[in-house]
Amino acid sequence: ETGVTQTPRHLVMGMTNKKSLKCEQHLGHNAMYWYKQSAKKPLELMFVYSLEERVENNSVPSRFSPECPNSSHLFLHLHTLQPEDSALYLCASSQRFANTEAFFGQGTRLTVV
Amino acid sequence: GEDVEQSLFLSVREGDSSVINCTYTDSSSTYLYWYKQEPGAGLQLLTYIFSNMDMKQDQRLTVLLNKKDKHLSLRIADTQTGDSAIYFCAERWTSNTGKLIFGQGTTLQVKP
Repeated sequence: ETGVTQTPRHLVMGMTNKKSLKCEQHLGHNAMYWYKQSAKKPLELMFVYSLEERVENNSVPSRFSPECPNSSHLFLHLHTLQPEDSALYLCASSQRFANTEAFFGQGTRLTVV
Repeated sequence: GEDVEQSLFLSVREGDSSVINCTYTDSSSTYLYWYKQEPGAGLQLLTYIFSNMDMKQDQRLTVLLNKKDKHLSLRIADTQTGDSAIYFCAERWTSNTGKLIFGQGTTLQVKP
């Protein structure tokens, strides 16, 4: 248990569905991240939120929409996804201005059918 | 550019030492990390090293850093079958967002 909790653990959705991934941390961190892990590719950083403000968006398609309502919660809203978006989506948190490690959640395994 | 490279696969026998290697690009990285991912699970931080250190030891794990060559290695002594997993090297990018750049991961297979 790392202190970062993601729900759901598994999600199967159709290309016309709308769903949301949730991430929660109670570590007192002020930065949260979404990473995408696809087969045979390095982890790709998608979004960075610091103090609830989006500070980085790595050219992610608009069908992925992040939301950070407070420093403990991070969402990834999904709509009209493609089969190639199937992947493991990992949330992480850290102290932005401290050079310490990022703690990861267990991920949501997403399958788009 | 942002690039961290690792070999993709390593197979060892139980009880042997494993050495997983990594090269990175950002010479001003302050921290470098090793994460472990077991099947179906998220990433678990194993250890990290500050860039002004050459070596860090933590029980069965030894991290060596060659800053000149931008080379990082993780040695696991007395490798056990429970060590079978994917190991990711990551560097903390010099931006102040805490962004981590990951390698592709090395799959460690431990044979009995």
